[in-house]
Amino acid sequence: GEEVAQTPKHLVRGEGQKAKLYCAPIKGHSYVFWYQQVLKNEFKFLISFQNENVFDETGMPKERFSAKCLPNSPCSLEIQATKLEDSAVYFCASSQYPPRASAYEQYFGPGTRLTVT
Amino acid sequence: GQQVMQIPQYQHVQEGEDFTTYCNSSTTLSNIQWYKQRPGGHPVFLIQLVKSGEVKKQKRLTFQFGEAKKNSSLHITATQTTDVGTYFCAGRQASGGSYIPTFGRGTSLIVHP
Repeated sequence: GEEVAQTPKHLVRGEGQKAKLYCAPIKGHSYVFWYQQVLKNEFKFLISFQNENVFDETGMPKERFSAKCLPNSPCSLEIQATKLEDSAVYFCASSQYPPRASAYEQYFGPGTRLTVT
Repeated sequence: GQQVMQIPQYQHVQEGEDFTTYCNSSTTLSNIQWYKQRPGGHPVFLIQLVKSGEVKKQKRLTFQFGEAKKNSSLHITATQTTDVGTYFCAGRQASGGSYIPTFGRGTSLIVHP
């Protein structure tokens, strides 16, 4: 598609429950990025993929967070045993070119608002 | 690690006034990007600056990249209510570190009609 699609739009989980978020990048884009936005203005990079391979996972909390991008499937971000501080909007972005390329542009999806109660 | 500071955090202006947001990095950047996020929306890519001292214009928006490639600014001339939103810069380190740009905390622009 021409836009990054994210589902669900909203997700409510009780503390300790699992949460799974999905992202379909723009067709033809090889790079996918996940960000966590808390308090409206702070973006935290989590992980990125080049096709199905992890490109950069320096921001990923490894204990409870995992992510995959499998061929012919939406990418996913999973949080095991959610905590209150995981409440945030999770954005997925895709790009055709890698971050070091001069033509690099990220296109963001509408986000998934996760509320942990 | 790399830090990208953005000021001011908020800016209230009357419609028709100018607006500027500033972005400063603790390290030299290879490039810097600017995004706009409307309230309740998602970030939308505006522009990427790559060259030292580069200036680019998009209608009423002027983007500058500092000579030392450690700072950048976005200036909006004669703001309109449609300019309301949060403007983020995102800079990528010139050497070492992650390839992924680091986002500033954004400047929220409020335009009063």
